[in-house]
Amino acid sequence: GAGVSQSPRYKVAKRGQDVALRCDPISGHVSLFWYQQALGQGPEFLTYFQNEAQLDKSGLPSDRFFAERPEGSVSTLKIQRTQQEDSAVYLCASSLVGTGFSGANVLTFGAGSRLTVL
Amino acid sequence: GQNIDQPTEMTATEGAIVQINCTYQTSGFNGLFWYQQHAGEAPTFLSYNVLDGLEEKGRFSSFLSRSKGYSYLLLKELQMKDSASYLCAVRALYSGAGSYQLTFGKGTKLSVIP
Repeated sequence: GAGVSQSPRYKVAKRGQDVALRCDPISGHVSLFWYQQALGQGPEFLTYFQNEAQLDKSGLPSDRFFAERPEGSVSTLKIQRTQQEDSAVYLCASSLVGTGFSGANVLTFGAGSRLTVL
Repeated sequence: GQNIDQPTEMTATEGAIVQINCTYQTSGFNGLFWYQQHAGEAPTFLSYNVLDGLEEKGRFSSFLSRSKGYSYLLLKELQMKDSASYLCAVRALYSGAGSYQLTFGKGTKLSVIP
């Protein structure tokens, strides 16, 4: 597609529910990133995929967070047993090349999924 | 790890010039990015510096000094639509994976007033 598409844009969950957030990156982009952005803060890195391989998941805050990109295009971020501290905007970004490329590797972001846990 | 500092908020007048500073501490530095983020929207790419000096792009310019761990974003002829958060992001070699990782600062919220 023309840009990075995320759905749903807004999600309200009760504490303890599971949620799934979807990201559709730009077609042909190798790299896909998930970031978490709390209100008034910068994006915090969660995880990174190069094609279908999850090469870095060091930013996932707990084992309740799980991400996949099975066919190297669409990705899903799943949060199990949501808690109030999970409330944030979840941003997805993609880029044309892998993170081993040392040149200007510009990320294109989606508008995010805003999760509110009650 | 990386430490990135930028002011939390700034206010400037329409038509004026504003400079948003960013300082960082990192090893394996490989470039500094500025992104603009309007409330509720996606961050969008503004500029990229990897060598020392000034990069100019229309009303926006970005400067980098690697020895000082310092960058600034300069916005000229401010317009009301420039009211947004400006995110400084540093890319550095992530030794664990042999690749580069991008880390964002907390962002500077700029308010442009008439």
